[in-house]
Amino acid sequence: ILNVEQSPQSLHVQEGDSTNFTCSFPSSNFYALHWYRWETAKSPEALFVMTLNGDEKKKGRISATLNTKEGYSYLYIKGSQPEDSATYLCAPGDASKLTFGTGTRLQVTL
Amino acid sequence: NAGVTQTPKFRILKIGQSMTLQCTQDMNHNYMYWYRQDPGMGLKLIYYSVGAGITDKGEVPNGYNVSRSTTEDFPLRLELAAPSQTSVYFCASSPNKGGGFSNQPQHFGDGTRLSIL
Repeated sequence: ILNVEQSPQSLHVQEGDSTNFTCSFPSSNFYALHWYRWETAKSPEALFVMTLNGDEKKKGRISATLNTKEGYSYLYIKGSQPEDSATYLCAPGDASKLTFGTGTRLQVTL
Repeated sequence: NAGVTQTPKFRILKIGQSMTLQCTQDMNHNYMYWYRQDPGMGLKLIYYSVGAGITDKGEVPNGYNVSRSTTEDFPLRLELAAPSQTSVYFCASSPNKGGGFSNQPQHFGDGTRLSIL
């Protein structure tokens, strides 16, 4: 899977704001869609793996949706906190491998 | 569980030198991966392995070699280091729970920052 696009590239919000990011990918050969959270000086950490069209996953204040027919996924963060500051990577996969986007860098300030 | 362990954390090489980046995992995962991450770019897959004795090329394999003699270890070898291989290298692993190996989350090591001068 090529041409993975994430938008925006970066985002600066205030504590308490809700926000969302987009991951777009070609819908052909789709098998799964991963979201990872990557804090500075650490390694990527898995948030969600979604495989079915219409999937919705939630982990605390973070949730994600998947539309495989039109080739996009949204990641939502409700009530952003400073500890949410990180780069959020999406990675659609075919049956054998993932293709990572360049990420959305989120900064949450007080 | 230590998870995925990479060594060394940092290394500086001269052009033409060789080295091996070590990766080991203690989660009994079948699948293992090597990625490189360059500024402004997404993680690029170098090589991957679906189990001991089996390896395959990813998106950017040139200049690298791998082996997988055990389930736990997946070393990445640079034979003739070039400046273009300056990057941060991440090893990852994921379990085999059926249905292909992109439907399970990958567990990443802390990375190896490699500079080639």
